[in-house]
Amino acid sequence: KNQVEQSPQSLIILEGKNCTLQCNYTVSPFSNLRWYKQDTGRGPVSLTIMTFSENTKSNGRYTATLDADTKQSSLHITASQLSDSASYICVVSARGGSYIPTFGRGTSLIVHP
Amino acid sequence: NAGVTQTPKFRILKIGQSMTLQCTQDMNHNYMYWYRQDPGMGLKLIYYSVGAGITDKGEVPNGYNVSRSTTEDFPLRLELAAPSQTSVYFCASSYPWEALPDEPQHFGDGTRLSIL
Repeated sequence: KNQVEQSPQSLIILEGKNCTLQCNYTVSPFSNLRWYKQDTGRGPVSLTIMTFSENTKSNGRYTATLDADTKQSSLHITASQLSDSASYICVVSARGGSYIPTFGRGTSLIVHP
Repeated sequence: NAGVTQTPKFRILKIGQSMTLQCTQDMNHNYMYWYRQDPGMGLKLIYYSVGAGITDKGEVPNGYNVSRSTTEDFPLRLELAAPSQTSVYFCASSYPWEALPDEPQHFGDGTRLSIL
């Protein structure tokens, strides 16, 4: 069964600090991995996407990494801002057949001033 | 462009009532999806559609129905509301994953539904 596990479940950091969120998956055959940001009361918004051949992708202060061999991804946030407070969701898609992406439960990040 | 628009934003239903959650997109996406998000859980796919007139079940379709008469609209119908259907419902749309697998899904802001 395809699964996506995220850690930690929640995280509190001070404004200006860096943090790293983790995602482990068992989706096979792998197609791509996305990180979404979901603000409270809003729908998820795509931050980055990586395919099998990519091992890093940046979007401003967000940098995602992918190790397809160990089936792990991380999202690193640099110099956090209050607006980074949100849930970060890892989503993995498989190649071929019916396209039903597998969503992780998300990591809730709170940035305190 | 408005993107994906969902209505209503909030709704309270009594057990056994029915309602339709509306979803429309203006990005000319062929593919549309309905998800539910329960507290502390990942999004679960209810139904999806790859084009007008074509729908298919996702992971948790029981208790729901959908239709896709136009490219833009993808309403979700609850016929006999049950407390287990209390959730936040998200509609999303995308380009065909076979042709453009790297394009993301675009989500609406959700409908918060409580069934009492």
